Amino acid sequence: GENVEQHPSTLSVQEGDSAVIKCTYSDSASNYFPWYKQELGKGPQLIIDIRSNVGEKKDQRIAVTLNKTAKHFSLHITETQPEDSAVYFCAAEGGTSYGKLTFGQGTILTVHP
Amino acid sequence: NAGVTQTPKFQVLKTGQSMTLQCAQDMNHNSMYWYRQDPGMGLRLIYYSASEGTTDKGEVPNGYNVSRLNKREFSLRLESAAPSQTSVYFCASSVTGGNTEAFFGQGTRLTVV
Repeated sequence: GENVEQHPSTLSVQEGDSAVIKCTYSDSASNYFPWYKQELGKGPQLIIDIRSNVGEKKDQRIAVTLNKTAKHFSLHITETQPEDSAVYFCAAEGGTSYGKLTFGQGTILTVHP
Repeated sequence: NAGVTQTPKFQVLKTGQSMTLQCAQDMNHNSMYWYRQDPGMGLRLIYYSASEGTTDKGEVPNGYNVSRLNKREFSLRLESAAPSQTSVYFCASSVTGGNTEAFFGQGTRLTVV
């Protein structure tokens, strides 16, 4: 099955700085890569996703890049704000794991004012 | 719009007791999922239902059973709870079984003593 590794496990930045979270996956047939944000006491919520037919996708301060050859994808948050503080999860799906998201271990992002 | 609703929000069980976690969605989604979340391990899929009338095992199904009661409801049952099942449980739903956004409930925090 699919295996997703996520780094770093914790990330601390100053407000206004950029934050980057990286994930690698094992199944070359995976073709859908979402990112979820989880605030304290809540369920995860999708913030951005990318499919394997594109290399980069942006939505305001958030961007995701995908390198299918190397089997890794990254989340970039620019101009971070305190409300970006949360746990972020990457995930992968497709191929042998179609219909079943495999999540990374999560990154606790703290943005200091 | 309630989205995905889970009950209960908190539960304490003694080892060997049984209980059912309830989940309902009001978005007319076909697919539903049960995940568990443990520190440092991300979210792991327990069971999923691609469509009404079908269920399949995920990554960690041992000790659990599920029922897709109808299109709206998907329950998770612990027949004989064990301390290793102490976790936060999330139900999710999506329009179809693959490559689409998953919507999560607020979670059930279960402690088995």
